[in-house]
Amino acid sequence: DQQVKQNSPSLSVQEGRISILNCDYTNSMFDYFLWYKKYPAEGPTFLISISSIKDKNEDGRFTVFLNKSAKHLSLHIVPSQPGDSAVYFCAAPGGTSNTGKLIFGQGTTLQVKP
Amino acid sequence: EAGVTQFPSHSVIEKGQTVTLRCDPISGHDNLYWYRRVMGKEIKFLLHFVKESKQDESGMPNNRFLAERTGGTYSTLKVQPAELEDSGVYFCASSQDQTAKLFFGSGTQLSVL
Repeated sequence: DQQVKQNSPSLSVQEGRISILNCDYTNSMFDYFLWYKKYPAEGPTFLISISSIKDKNEDGRFTVFLNKSAKHLSLHIVPSQPGDSAVYFCAAPGGTSNTGKLIFGQGTTLQVKP
Repeated sequence: EAGVTQFPSHSVIEKGQTVTLRCDPISGHDNLYWYRRVMGKEIKFLLHFVKESKQDESGMPNNRFLAERTGGTYSTLKVQPAELEDSGVYFCASSQDQTAKLFFGSGTQLSVL
C-alpha cells in the first residue's frame, strides 16, 4: 500500500522551459510535504516543502503547489536548467510533521536538455 | 563542516555472508535514520535513533538486520546472513532536531550475489 505515488518515472524538458513533477498521496492525515532532489551517487537533498495550511510555496525557480481535495501536489521548476537534471522524490512525514520518518514516492527522473 | 558520511560506498558479497555498513552523522546531530532504496523504487524508512536509543525500528525488514549506535555517535547496520533481496542502496540521514528536513549521506550500494 503505497501512500505517496509518483506515477511518472521520467520527464524530459528543454532548457528554459517549465518542468512539472507530480505526486499523489492517499493519506488525508498528511499535513506536510517535501521534495528532495538526488544526483547520481549522492544522497537526497532537501529542496522545498509545503504545509497543508498553504496551497503554494515558492523558493526561487521552484514552486510547490498543493491541492488537498485532490490529494495532489506538484513541483514546478521555471526556467529549467541542465543542472536541474536529477531524480526528484516527493515525501511526507509518516507521523507528525516534525518527524524524519518519511514516506517517499518512487521518484521522477528529470532530464533537462540544453 | 563534514556532511553525513557512509562507508563503504559499495559492497559486493555472496548470499549468506555478513556485511556491516557504517554511518557517521553530522556532528551534534542526535537524530539518525537508516533508509533503503531497492531496485529504483521508493526510499523506505528502516529505523530512527535518538542519540543511542532506538526511537522507531518499525521499518526493519526482519531479524537479520541489526542496527546499533553505541555512544550516540556513529551507527552501524549489520545484515547477517545477507539474502539476495537485501540488495539495494542503504542511506543514512541525520538531523539535529526532530524535523522532516534531513541531511542524507551518499549511501552504500549493497549487492548480494
